[in-house]
This record gives sequence, C-alpha cells and structure tokens, in this order.
Amino acid sequence: NAGVTQTPKFQVLKTGQSMTLQCAQDMNHEYMSWYRQDPGMGLRLIHYSVGAGITDQGEVPNGYNVSRSTTEDFPLRLLSAAPSQTSVYFCASSPLRANTEAFFGQGTRLTVV
Amino acid sequence: AQSVTQLGSHVSVSEGALVLLRCNYSSSVPPYLFWYVQYPNQGLQLLLKYTSAATLVKGINGFEAEFKKSETSFHLTKPSAHMSDAAEYFCAVRGGTDSWGKFQFGAGTQVVVTP
Repeated sequence: NAGVTQTPKFQVLKTGQSMTLQCAQDMNHEYMSWYRQDPGMGLRLIHYSVGAGITDQGEVPNGYNVSRSTTEDFPLRLLSAAPSQTSVYFCASSPLRANTEAFFGQGTRLTVV
Repeated sequence: AQSVTQLGSHVSVSEGALVLLRCNYSSSVPPYLFWYVQYPNQGLQLLLKYTSAATLVKGINGFEAEFKKSETSFHLTKPSAHMSDAAEYFCAVRGGTDSWGKFQFGAGTQVVVTP
C-alpha cells in the first residue's frame, strides 16, 4: 500500500515557468488537499477536493490551479512561478468523515529563482 | 470558524525530562483533534487523535494527549524525552459545521532534545 505519492521530491524553477506537482493516492479517499509549508507559518491550505470533478479554494490559492478528474489523482499546477512560491508542498488525503485523519505525502521542495 | 493555537514555536527539553506541548482550539461545535509529528525532510505522521471516545488518548512513541473541553485544550505530553523525539509537532482540528470538515493546523512547535 503506497499511500500518498508525490512527485517530484525536489524542483528548481525559473521565474515565469510553469509546472505541475503530482499527487496520487491508492486508498480510495474522497478528500484530497494541497498545503504549502513555510517556516513559522505551519501548513496553509492551497486547494482541496471532496471528490472527482469537485475542487475549491483554500486560504492561499492565488497562482495555483488544480483539477480532479479521478479519485486517485490531484495535481497542482503553478501557472507562472514566482519567488514567493518557494516552499515545501504537501499533498494529503483522507476519507470524507471529520473523525478521520489525513495521510500525507513526503513533500515536494520547490525553489523558484 | 475554527482555529488552532500552539503555544511556543520552539521547546527545548533535556533527555529524560517531561515533554509538554500546548494546543488550544476554538470551534463553534465539538471538533476532532489530531497531533502530527514531522521529522526532518519528511511528511507529517499521525501521533494520535481525539474522536470523542475517550478524553485521554494514547498515541505512538509514548505520547499521549488529554482533551479538556472546559479549557478548549488538547495538550501533548511524554513523560521522558528521547533524542529521537526531536522533530516538529503540529496540532490540528477538523470538524465544524460540515460533517466532514477541512483540517486547520497550528503553526507548529519545534522540539529540541539535549543530552
């Protein structure tokens, strides 16, 4: 059981480039989400999804797009990378019940130069 | 709206001493509460969770937490710190008016263990 798989683990982008961070889970979880982690700021929610075809914005959605065409996959797209998007990105999934925990991927460390 | 406050961004403890990490929440309805640990360059791993079955919750690696509704707290403790406990710890809340609820994470507490 692989859990939540994120790729790539590391990425360096130039300002203005676009890229997609991949996230896949094999636990048939309805809820998937993307967070960014910056020092002293904890985890901030970027976008989330409660099922295939349904996505919504979190607290820091600007500059990011998501889609959910299948239950398993939830890619995060950076449209035009900016240095302010340098961060560690985590994907998480969970069942759609409030008494269940989130399962996290290993993270993607992104540097925008 | 719900929120989580972790008191202290950095905590230093001696090996063998008590570890106490504080977490307070605000929520309009009874929430579900979680503690996660993050080791360097890794993702978050669940330590324990409160889902209303028992107010004292035991987790992995000797950690436990007590839910106190009157104090809106969910503090994490471990009687005797080990060097391997050096990590960042996050408190999280889920629930609210939605039956499923988004997660809200605290800012994290970095634990340093000294010999």
